Amino acid sequence: KAGVTQTPRYLIKTRGQQVTLSCSPISGHRSVSWYQQTPGQGLQFLFEYFSETQRNKGNFPGRFSGRQFSNSRSEMNVSTLELGDSALYLCASSSSGTSGIQETQYFGPGTRLLVL
Amino acid sequence: GDSVTQMEGPVTLSEEAFLTINCTYTATGYPSLFWYVQYPGEGLQLLLKATKADDKGSNKGFEATYRKETTSFHLEKGSVQVSDSAVYFCAHLLRSGGSYIPTFGRGTSLIVHP
Repeated sequence: KAGVTQTPRYLIKTRGQQVTLSCSPISGHRSVSWYQQTPGQGLQFLFEYFSETQRNKGNFPGRFSGRQFSNSRSEMNVSTLELGDSALYLCASSSSGTSGIQETQYFGPGTRLLVL
Repeated sequence: GDSVTQMEGPVTLSEEAFLTINCTYTATGYPSLFWYVQYPGEGLQLLLKATKADDKGSNKGFEATYRKETTSFHLEKGSVQVSDSAVYFCAHLLRSGGSYIPTFGRGTSLIVHP
């Protein structure tokens, strides 16, 4: 079974631009969660989608948004990029549950975003 | 606010030594508690979990007990192996404003020498 894939793996953007990251979950998984990982703040939860609906949301500004498609693939968008958005963005999938973290989540390798 | 605090690493041990990685949390409510492990070059994997006070999670020789009185969930293993070298993350899950929000600790790096 193929694992969680994320594209692109690396990205360089400038302040003010927007970016879209993509995540393909493990086949059959309906829950996709997004996390931001930085040296300063550690791993922080952004949001979770389940069956095309945002089910849970962390404490991030509205510049961070996402969506999920009928095939469970998910995209995350960050608008008006700031220097502080430089981070590793991780996607995780799981089969079901009240929240993805309660099941075994399978994490992708991440997309490393650098904002200049 | 709600948070998870782990001991800073790296923790360096010899093979077969006893391991303890401390984890304490603050939470407005009664969270579920988790330990995740990240092996070099891989994503995070769920290691064990506990959903209520006094529950003990266990997996692969690792154990952690949910201690409500001390708000702790320390990870232990009686005899570590070189293959246990990884970064370990403690986390909790709380319901807040209609959402379930996971909060992770900063991670503790474990290095096991032969």
